[in-house]
Amino acid sequence: QKEVEQNSGPLSVPEGAIASLNCTYSDRGSQSFFWYRQYSGKSPELIMSIYSNGDKEDGRFTAQLNKASQYVSLLIRDSQPSDSATYLCAVGGRSQGNLIFGKGTKLSVKP
Amino acid sequence: KAGVTQTPRYLIKTRGQQVTLSCSPISGHRSVSWYQQTPGQGLQFLFEYFSETQRNKGNFPGRFSGRQFSNSRSEMNVSTLELGDSALYLCASSLDGGRSTDTQYFGPGTRLTVL
Repeated sequence: QKEVEQNSGPLSVPEGAIASLNCTYSDRGSQSFFWYRQYSGKSPELIMSIYSNGDKEDGRFTAQLNKASQYVSLLIRDSQPSDSATYLCAVGGRSQGNLIFGKGTKLSVKP
Repeated sequence: KAGVTQTPRYLIKTRGQQVTLSCSPISGHRSVSWYQQTPGQGLQFLFEYFSETQRNKGNFPGRFSGRQFSNSRSEMNVSTLELGDSALYLCASSLDGGRSTDTQYFGPGTRLTVL
């Protein structure tokens, strides 16, 4: 059974701090990794995708991938209250069109 | 470019009824995937359609079915509704769907409540 694990949180950080979200996955053959943000009552919104080992930066967001450790993370710098949401880690399965999601980490950024 | 659209946004049904949900992908996207989201199980994959063919299916009973039309629009159907089917049903589209690396973009979802 292919799994994606995330700490459910809640993770609470003060405004301006760095929030670190982590995810592990079980399928070594996974090739694609995504972070989605989901506000309460809304649908998931893509933040980042990463396919190769290392870091990928986009504005305040940095995704990190380590395939050997089967680990992917998301760093949010200068966290804002508007970043408060549930962050979903998704892994592209070997089959087409199938993303395997973790259950999400709830992030709360306190003013 | 318009995003993924889903109709209806909210639906209330009673046990035993059936329901049909609709999804229109982003223009030019050919792959449509369906997911069920519940508080307990999170987001779970239902099935994926590409070129009017179901290419991949998750671990859901046969009461859950779908189809895709030639314009890439997709519908999913749930027959003989159960209380446990209450969930947010999300549709996601991707450009090709032929690679697991394709990015999926989600619609707003249909909130189904079964009484």
